[in-house]
Amino acid sequence: NAGVMQNPRHLVRRRGQEARLRCSPMKGHSHVYWYRQLPEEGLKFMVYLQKENIIDESGMPKERFSAEFPKEGPSILRIQQVVRGDSAAYFCASSPSAGGPGYFHEQYFGPGTRLTVT
Amino acid sequence: GENVEQHPSTLSVQEGDSAVIKCTYSDSASNYFPWYKQELGKGPQLIIDIRSNVGEKKDQRIAVTLNKTAKHFSLHITETQPEDSAVYFCAANSGYSTLTFGKGTMLLVSP
Repeated sequence: NAGVMQNPRHLVRRRGQEARLRCSPMKGHSHVYWYRQLPEEGLKFMVYLQKENIIDESGMPKERFSAEFPKEGPSILRIQQVVRGDSAAYFCASSPSAGGPGYFHEQYFGPGTRLTVT
Repeated sequence: GENVEQHPSTLSVQEGDSAVIKCTYSDSASNYFPWYKQELGKGPQLIIDIRSNVGEKKDQRIAVTLNKTAKHFSLHITETQPEDSAVYFCAANSGYSTLTFGKGTMLLVSP
């Protein structure tokens, strides 16, 4: 039973380049969440997606960041024109379905992509 | 929005001792409280969780308690082993989809 998969595991980009991070949810899961972890910090929510829909992007920076989860293929977090402050670990989590009133679904995390901007 | 405070930031124990990590949350509407273990270079691993209709939950050497009135919850690890050494994160939900995390506790278990 494969878990959440992320690639690449490590990504180095120069300032101004684009970074693309990929996430494949656990088998049977159709909901994907992206979190960012700065050094010695907890994880911060960025965006929640279902297939072909962005459900909650309240944690996404307003500029340069975008996310998608197409009908086919992995979810992608895209960072345009990277800056040094984007250096962080980016984690993807998945759940089988949406929560509802009074119920929150467990989220299972992938191994992360560590982005370094030089 | 939700705010989660976690302490201590570091915890050193001898093998066989117990370890306790405490968290407080701010949003009384939160009803799901997971704990994650993160080893160096890896992603967070869900180790135990508790929901607001339960006061305590146990799984072998790990237990979690929840006090809704005081808005705090704790992780208890008994008979610690060196392989328990890791960073532990508590979290609380905000609505149906978002987890708010504490800043983590680095647990070091010395043989």
